[in-house]
Amino acid sequence: DVKVTQSSRYLVKRTGEKVFLECVQDMDHENMFWYRQDPGLGLRLIYFSYDVKMKEKGDIPEGYSVSREKKERFSLILESASTNQTSMYLCASSLGDRRGSNYGYTFGSGTRLTVV
Amino acid sequence: QKEVEQDPGPLSVPEGAIVSLNCTYSNSAFQYFMWYRQYSRKGPELLMYTYSSGNKEDGRFTAQVDKSSKYISLFIRDSQPSDSATYLCAMRTYSGAGSYQLTFGKGTKLSVIP
Repeated sequence: DVKVTQSSRYLVKRTGEKVFLECVQDMDHENMFWYRQDPGLGLRLIYFSYDVKMKEKGDIPEGYSVSREKKERFSLILESASTNQTSMYLCASSLGDRRGSNYGYTFGSGTRLTVV
Repeated sequence: QKEVEQDPGPLSVPEGAIVSLNCTYSNSAFQYFMWYRQYSRKGPELLMYTYSSGNKEDGRFTAQVDKSSKYISLFIRDSQPSDSATYLCAMRTYSGAGSYQLTFGKGTKLSVIP
């Protein structure tokens, strides 16, 4: 069964801390994405990556950075956590366009981050 | 105007009812149309996808696409309490960076009451 695994289900951090959220997929997918999900706002794209060492800004990249050193791993970094970054964070992956598929995303179970 | 509009609900129906969930969109470049189901405290999972206008059935679920009206629907027949979840529509378009991206609706929260 294909999987996207997020390292933590629940996380509590203090304001100003540097926070790392890890995501690993075992499907040999080219594309990986980080979203945050908030009530009333839906899914908002933070960053995405189409290849190793490659990254693109999404709709709300401010206050975040990412790292993709290996194809299977995509990390989201909160450089200095703030209370307005309290949210559910979802990682997703998908096949690249050359390999043909319905191009749906496979999501992880999410990390609920609380910044206090 | 947002690219994808979806009524957030919440929608509450009795067990056995037929449920209709809908999304409208404005971008004619959207190609694949998908429905995701998200249970509480879980990530979304792909439920159905379709490319062309018309209907696609999978068990109790039917996905309908009307490209001329820019309108998609998901019907659930004989709804069950286990169908209680948030349903998100999603639409795919070429991102211009060598691959594709999905644009999601905000989701409709459905409760099926026993």
